[in-house]
Amino acid sequence: AQKITQTQPGMFVQEKEAVTLDCTYDTSDQSYGLFWYKQPSSGEMIFLIYQGSYDEQNATEGRYSLNFQKARKSANLVISASQLGDSAMYFCAMRGGAGGTSYGKLTFGQGTILTVHP
Amino acid sequence: NAGVTQTPKFQVLKTGQSMTLQCAQDMNHEYMSWYRQDPGMGLRLIHYSVGAGITDQGEVPNGYNVSRSTTEDFPLRLLSAAPSQTSVYFCASSYRGGVGHEQFFGPGTRLTVL
Repeated sequence: AQKITQTQPGMFVQEKEAVTLDCTYDTSDQSYGLFWYKQPSSGEMIFLIYQGSYDEQNATEGRYSLNFQKARKSANLVISASQLGDSAMYFCAMRGGAGGTSYGKLTFGQGTILTVHP
Repeated sequence: NAGVTQTPKFQVLKTGQSMTLQCAQDMNHEYMSWYRQDPGMGLRLIHYSVGAGITDQGEVPNGYNVSRSTTEDFPLRLLSAAPSQTSVYFCASSYRGGVGHEQFFGPGTRLTVL
């Protein structure tokens, strides 16, 4: 079984500063994938970034980067140069295993509410 | 492409009523899933499908049925609604490939059971 833990119920950051959202995971699978999704107040789920367990480099997508520390089982999201529009709920999620039924199944953390102050 | 569509957007039921939440995708994705999101919690997997005719249970399947007769559609049936099923329901689809086989989510259905 997989488990995702997000220990920060809420985070605050000043506009234009960087912020790190924590995510730790637990799995017995050797191959797995880690995702971050953003959920604004409007409710939709927006895919931000992905890291595969065998990827040697940390994933980056524009202002988003994933600080992947495999030995510590952590996959923290770093948002650089925060914007007011970044205020939202952020979810860390995991897909366990490789192939077959794993593609249709994600395990989510509880989420972190990020508030960006002007 | 419309992506993943869900109907209705909002629904109020009385305890014991049944209903079907509709989900459709036009991206020819093999994999489809249903999640529920309760206040202050992450999404939890209800049922998922790896292709037409193949479904399996997720973490919280009790009280829900699914079927997948076509690649495009994956309806979720509530057999006898209970207040504990008050939640926001998300349908998602994914395919073998893409960025980590990411899941594409529908806009959600907000269900209230009185």
